[in-house]
Amino acid sequence: QVQLVESGGGVVQPGRSLTVSCAASGFTFSSYAMHWVRQAPGKGLEWVALISNDESNQHYADSVKGRFTISRDNSKDTLYLQMNSLRAEDTAVYYCARAGWLAWGQGTLVTVSS
Amino acid sequence: AIQMTQSPSALSASVGDRVTITCRASQAIRNDLGWYQQKPGKAPKLLIYAASRLQSGVPSRFSGSGSGTDFTLTISSLQPEDFATYYCLQDYNYPYTFGQGTKLEIK
Repeated sequence: QVQLVESGGGVVQPGRSLTVSCAASGFTFSSYAMHWVRQAPGKGLEWVALISNDESNQHYADSVKGRFTISRDNSKDTLYLQMNSLRAEDTAVYYCARAGWLAWGQGTLVTVSS
Repeated sequence: AIQMTQSPSALSASVGDRVTITCRASQAIRNDLGWYQQKPGKAPKLLIYAASRLQSGVPSRFSGSGSGTDFTLTISSLQPEDFATYYCLQDYNYPYTFGQGTKLEIK
């Protein structure tokens, strides 16, 4: 069955970096674009980024452009989100989702705090 | 970026009620809109895509309509499992944007 499993969340100080990962299984990962979506505690959903299936295109929310980088390794069926210059407002559960929005991970919590 | 204005932000209703949630886009987005249901501690679930197409496996009491800038999600007869938060998402252009959400609560 299709499965997406995020990992790498944790507590990080403001201004520091963190990379979260999303391991995919049960489908041909290299055939699908992938998204990151986040949700701050008690708040709504925010689309963060997308990467095309072949890595040729990336798109970002204005709130993370220039600080976050989405990437993937199709040989490892894994999606990444590198987050630099983290701010308190980046605190959220980060979900990965497959293009078409039918498959989502369970989310990984990133807390930015000193 | 396209702004999605969703209303109401919260709604109290009873089992069996008909409810409607609306999303308005700040510019025309054709029918490039989806509706999602989210329960506490869970990932969102796709209900409706392309504004009015029911995702396979989703009960027929859910329906969507609209095109351009104005969209609606209707639940024809609320069931206990429908009490959740609902979001619209435009995927017409980047950056994609969600509505603010509608929390549907039991009256």
